[in-house]
Amino acid sequence: DVVMTQSPLSLPVTLGQPASISCRSSQSLVYSDGNTYLNWFHQRPGQSPRRLIYKVSNRDSGVPDRFSGSGSGTDFTLKISRVEAEDVGLYYCMQGTHWPSTFGQGTKVEIK
Amino acid sequence: QVQLVESGGGVVQPGRSLRLSCAASGFTFNNYGMHWVRQAPGKGLEWVAVISYDGIYKYYTDSVRGRFTISRDNSKNTLYLQMNSLRAEDTAVYYCAKDDSSGYYYVSLDYWGQGTPVTVSS
Repeated sequence: DVVMTQSPLSLPVTLGQPASISCRSSQSLVYSDGNTYLNWFHQRPGQSPRRLIYKVSNRDSGVPDRFSGSGSGTDFTLKISRVEAEDVGLYYCMQGTHWPSTFGQGTKVEIK
Repeated sequence: QVQLVESGGGVVQPGRSLRLSCAASGFTFNNYGMHWVRQAPGKGLEWVAVISYDGIYKYYTDSVRGRFTISRDNSKNTLYLQMNSLRAEDTAVYYCAKDDSSGYYYVSLDYWGQGTPVTVSS
């Protein structure tokens, strides 16, 4: 199975400051169609996950533009340009290129 | 708007069975692949199974293959997960999730339900 490794696992941030989460895969996530199926999800406490980013860098409808995704191959990043209080919670990367689909361990974002 | 509502969770003894359901609305159900994803208490997300839009292709994670069966009824817009020979390590919140494509080739989960808890304990 493809192993997804996130860092850091805990990320204390100051309101209004930027934040960055790294996600690395044990194999290239480029699919045979040329796309890279790397998604980012946000899960608030007690809620179900919500997709923020699909195919590395595409924001889902309604996702604030302070969220951005980048990367290629095996190395990916989620950035929040200015953290707001509603951004706390767990962030997961997920690869959908190889079966079975696998998630990173999760990164907990909290306000300092 | 897309809605996915899971039901059927509960407390069950090891070795017993349980069937989860997921009622879908707000989209053309028979056009999309569907998945089950679970989250053990205090743990991360684990993908469990997929079924293609037409119900033909199914794939499972190794830990449930042979014990769990995913199915769908496109006439009822409902996804199912039949869980047999349950183990303590199957204890988790089970989410159904919609794929943004057919379910045959790759995974891209765009909508999730609220989840239904399953506890396997004697």
